[in-house]
Amino acid sequence: GDSVTQMEGPVTLSEEAFLTINCTYTATGYPSLFWYVQYPGEGLQLLLKATKADDKGSNKGFEATYRKETTSFHLEKGSVQVSDSAVYFCALSAAPYGQNFVFGPGTRLSVLP
Amino acid sequence: DVKVTQSSRYLVKRTGEKVFLECVQDMDHENMFWYRQDPGLGLRLIYFSYDVKMKEKGDIPEGYSVSREKKERFSLILESASTNQTSMYLCASSQGFGYTFGSGTRLTVV
Repeated sequence: GDSVTQMEGPVTLSEEAFLTINCTYTATGYPSLFWYVQYPGEGLQLLLKATKADDKGSNKGFEATYRKETTSFHLEKGSVQVSDSAVYFCALSAAPYGQNFVFGPGTRLSVLP
Repeated sequence: DVKVTQSSRYLVKRTGEKVFLECVQDMDHENMFWYRQDPGLGLRLIYFSYDVKMKEKGDIPEGYSVSREKKERFSLILESASTNQTSMYLCASSQGFGYTFGSGTRLTVV
């Protein structure tokens, strides 16, 4: 079945450091790929998405590129802030109408001042 | 701004109680979902619905049921709450690609 693998956390960085959170997937067909963010005590919010190969999703300084050849969708940010501390989930949807997401286990990011 | 609203942020119930978790979306989405989130286990799908009065079991439906009498409302029911149902419950809706999540209900069963 479809699956998403994320790098193990927690990840601890200093403010203004460069962030990479790795995400790889296994899926039949051509899934859409997503990054969601969960701030403490909150539900999940869509951070960015890409629906086809070579698409780049971006939002709030975060970027991820859909790499079909490596089945990856790594999340990057050039300079993290304390307010970026959260749990980040990579997800895919191979269903035609966006139902039945498969989520990765989440990566907790802590940014220190 | 589009919203998925979960009726309670925090809930404490006793073992054996019948518990209702309510979720309402204002986006006219057809698809709605209930997940639970536990440390180390990630998000697990409990039930989902593609239309009014329609429901499908997810990965962990045991001990739960759902109701969708109106398009905008999707209720999760714990028939007889148990301590192993203490968790964060997340409702989501979708139409096309991408989910919109509610803020979650943290349920504690004592």
